Amino acid sequence: DSGVTQTPKHLITATGQRVTLRCSPRSGDLSVYWYQQSLDQGLQFLIQYYNGEERAKGNILERFSAQQFPDLHSELNLSSLELGDSALYFCASSVTDARWNTIYFGEGSWLTVV
Amino acid sequence: AQSVTQLGSHVSVSEGALVLLRCNYSSSVPPYLFWYVQYPNQGLQLLLKYTSAATLVKGINGFEAEFKKSETSFHLTKPSAHMSDAAEYFCAVSERAGGSYIPTFGRGTSLIVHP
Repeated sequence: DSGVTQTPKHLITATGQRVTLRCSPRSGDLSVYWYQQSLDQGLQFLIQYYNGEERAKGNILERFSAQQFPDLHSELNLSSLELGDSALYFCASSVTDARWNTIYFGEGSWLTVV
Repeated sequence: AQSVTQLGSHVSVSEGALVLLRCNYSSSVPPYLFWYVQYPNQGLQLLLKYTSAATLVKGINGFEAEFKKSETSFHLTKPSAHMSDAAEYFCAVSERAGGSYIPTFGRGTSLIVHP
């Protein structure tokens, strides 16, 4: 158990819909990262928050947004969903940034868009 | 931008045989390198990391990796494979992005262990 909690574990939704994925980081971790894992793209970095502020942005679509709340949990919002958004979405956390710190992954949220 | 390349999307070994998973990096500055493992239906977990303290890094479950600057490599090895080692292995490099550092992952290598 990494200490990072993600909900829901599985989600099936229709194209055009909007979903919210939730992440609780390990106790004491200030940074939260979101990754998308798919067979064709591999593990892609989406976005990072540190203590409530956006710190780094990766290959995140404009239809996707995220935030980190004062209690440090984070949410990833995916809207106008397309079939290609079907993937495993990981949240990870670390004490500060990931320069040499270990980042701890949750078990992921499986999103299926039909 | 820094990146890592993992050679071989699948590696198959017999139980008890040497495991060698290859990773090459591209970086103009000394990199911070990591190996993560992903077991089926689980998140990634850290096996080991290189942060310039020693070129031979020992990790969990008997794995180790050697940083070779001349070859820009960070290959993962284990002397004797066990059935429980079957998993997906990811090499990663810490890359500067915005005001932070972000792990950039390779495409992964699936390790298959035969009895």
